[in-house]
Amino acid sequence: AQSVAQPEDQVNVAEGNPLTVKCTYSVSGNPYLFWYVQYPNRGLQFLLKYITGDNLVKGSYGFEAEFNKSQTSFHLKKPSALVSDSALYFCAVDGGSQGNLIFGKGTKLSVKP
Amino acid sequence: NAGVMQNPRHLVRRRGQEARLRCSPMKGHSHVYWYRQLPEEGLKFMVYLQKENIIDESGMPKERFSAEFPKEGPSILRIQQVVRGDSAAYFCASSATSGGHREQYFGPGTRLTVT
Repeated sequence: AQSVAQPEDQVNVAEGNPLTVKCTYSVSGNPYLFWYVQYPNRGLQFLLKYITGDNLVKGSYGFEAEFNKSQTSFHLKKPSALVSDSALYFCAVDGGSQGNLIFGKGTKLSVKP
Repeated sequence: NAGVMQNPRHLVRRRGQEARLRCSPMKGHSHVYWYRQLPEEGLKFMVYLQKENIIDESGMPKERFSAEFPKEGPSILRIQQVVRGDSAAYFCASSATSGGHREQYFGPGTRLTVT
């Protein structure tokens, strides 16, 4: 069965420092992987996805993610964090041929000035 | 280009009442997904619909929950005889086509509170 794990409930970063939000996955076959961000009392916003090809995927708001097949990871990164990046981040994997998504529990990112 | 619309944004129901949640997908999207988010948890898939068809309802509780996406009008998630455990945020998402590689666009959610 497909699954996603986000090992950190919370990540704290100082503004201007690089940030990493971790995600590991378990799938049969080739994975389709996604990152979404959720601001308080809002829906999820799509950040980026990995389908195939280049292992480094660039997305919205300066975020990028690195697909690592041997480590079954898809960590989200940003070179320089902003206070406005503070939000809840979800990693997701395609749940099957129908396209429903399986989400991790989410990681709360807190960026302090 | 309006995004995914959901209403109401907040819904309060007493135990035993019915809750109806509405979702209008993005223009041009014919695939709708419903997810539930419990406090402190990620989203859990409930049901996937196309116009007039339920494609996958594997995440839907067997009793009291139903969903539809008629030829005209929004998709409806209906919860009969609500219980306190149904209190959650319910999110609708849409996509232009099917397939696991397609990103889904989410609405703002409906926060259901059962008293």
